[in-house]
Amino acid sequence: QKEVEQNSGPLSVPEGAIASLNCTYSDRGSQSFFWYRQYSGKSPELIMFIYSNGDKEDGRFTAQLNKASQYVSLLIRDSQPSDSATYLCAPQSYIPTFGRGTSLIVHP
Amino acid sequence: DTGVSQDPRHKITKRGQNVTFRCDPISEHNRLYWYRQTLGQGPEFLTYFQNEAQLEKSRLLSDRFSAERPKGSFSTLEIQRTEQGDSAMYLCASSQGREGHSPLHFGNGTRLTVT
Repeated sequence: QKEVEQNSGPLSVPEGAIASLNCTYSDRGSQSFFWYRQYSGKSPELIMFIYSNGDKEDGRFTAQLNKASQYVSLLIRDSQPSDSATYLCAPQSYIPTFGRGTSLIVHP
Repeated sequence: DTGVSQDPRHKITKRGQNVTFRCDPISEHNRLYWYRQTLGQGPEFLTYFQNEAQLEKSRLLSDRFSAERPKGSFSTLEIQRTEQGDSAMYLCASSQGREGHSPLHFGNGTRLTVT
């Protein structure tokens, strides 16, 4: 199984700011990654998928993958209180594994 | 696409009792996963099916845990002789397509409390 590490946080940002969430991974063979969002008491839901070096943008979300440095990040622009959740990254794998996730708090 | 369905949503049981959970995946998905999640932790892999075949089982999984997926459709997870440490959210997820290229679709989970 492929290991991932995330800072558990909480990361606290004011409304309207950019939230930056990071994930490092140990398996150089990992080619692509999923980002999931998990609200408290709910199950994870997919928000982004990135498979190549560089940036992928979807609305307020930008995923960044740097294979040389083995990290993947998620930027949330114009953060909203509704973005407050735990964010999990998982490498593409037939057995997806998760780190602890990063708790994000967006305060008004 | 009616989503992944899990039943029950909540289960409270006494230590030593057996419990069984059910998961109905998205109908066209051939892969089905069981994860366990405790407070402050990410989902922990338990086991994985491709169609009816159980292809992988976590080495951390006690032999009190067993899972089945008859006919490659719904799946059940049974925990025998429950212990307080089994208290957790049990998540089922399904996916489709080539190895790892498809994201997981999670059910709402079954929250188990062992008293």
